[in-house]
Amino acid sequence: NAGVTQTPKFRVLKTGQSMTLLCAQDMNHEYMYWYRQDPGMGLRLIHYSVGEGTTAKGEVPDGYNVSRLKKQNFLLGLESAAPSQTSVYFCASSRGTEAFFGQGTRLTVV
Amino acid sequence: KQEVTQIPAALSVPEGENLVLNCSFTDSAIYNLQWFRQDPGKGLTSLLLIQSSQREQTSGRLNASLDKSSGRSTLYIAASQPGDSATYLCAVLILTGGGNKLTFGTGTQLKVEL
Repeated sequence: NAGVTQTPKFRVLKTGQSMTLLCAQDMNHEYMYWYRQDPGMGLRLIHYSVGEGTTAKGEVPDGYNVSRLKKQNFLLGLESAAPSQTSVYFCASSRGTEAFFGQGTRLTVV
Repeated sequence: KQEVTQIPAALSVPEGENLVLNCSFTDSAIYNLQWFRQDPGKGLTSLLLIQSSQREQTSGRLNASLDKSSGRSTLYIAASQPGDSATYLCAVLILTGGGNKLTFGTGTQLKVEL
């Protein structure tokens, strides 16, 4: 029973590099979310999706793009990484009520 | 804009104490409220979910209450144990035309000492 799986778990990027974080859920949930967690600021919503083929901006979307080509996958892209994007990224999925989270991706941009 | 506040930010108690963690939110038009536990370097584990129509939920030594009209929720932990040491987060779900959004508090870091 995998639930929500994030890959990779850790990554170090140089400023200006690009990368994609993958979130996969096997619960057939409609809703998927990407959050970032920073010390003293809690979890902030980056982007979210209410279903396959749809995406929407959250609280802090700048510098990120997302895609939901398949219902089970939600991808978070950084086109040109900046040190301010150093954070722990969490993906979550939901059927609309209770949310389930992945184990997080720790990203460092140097 | 929904804002969620958790007090205290950190708490240290001796083993065996009963304790209360507080969560407040500014917009009472919530669909539900969820309490999570986060261990260092780990993801979030759902503890309790309270629907907006409910007053409380219980799971083992945990009891969560919700007073929607006053914008408050409490998480009560009975007979605390060192294994309860973690950060506790509350989050409220609101329904919008653009989709359901979950807004988090900044958490309470709990340490239960022997």
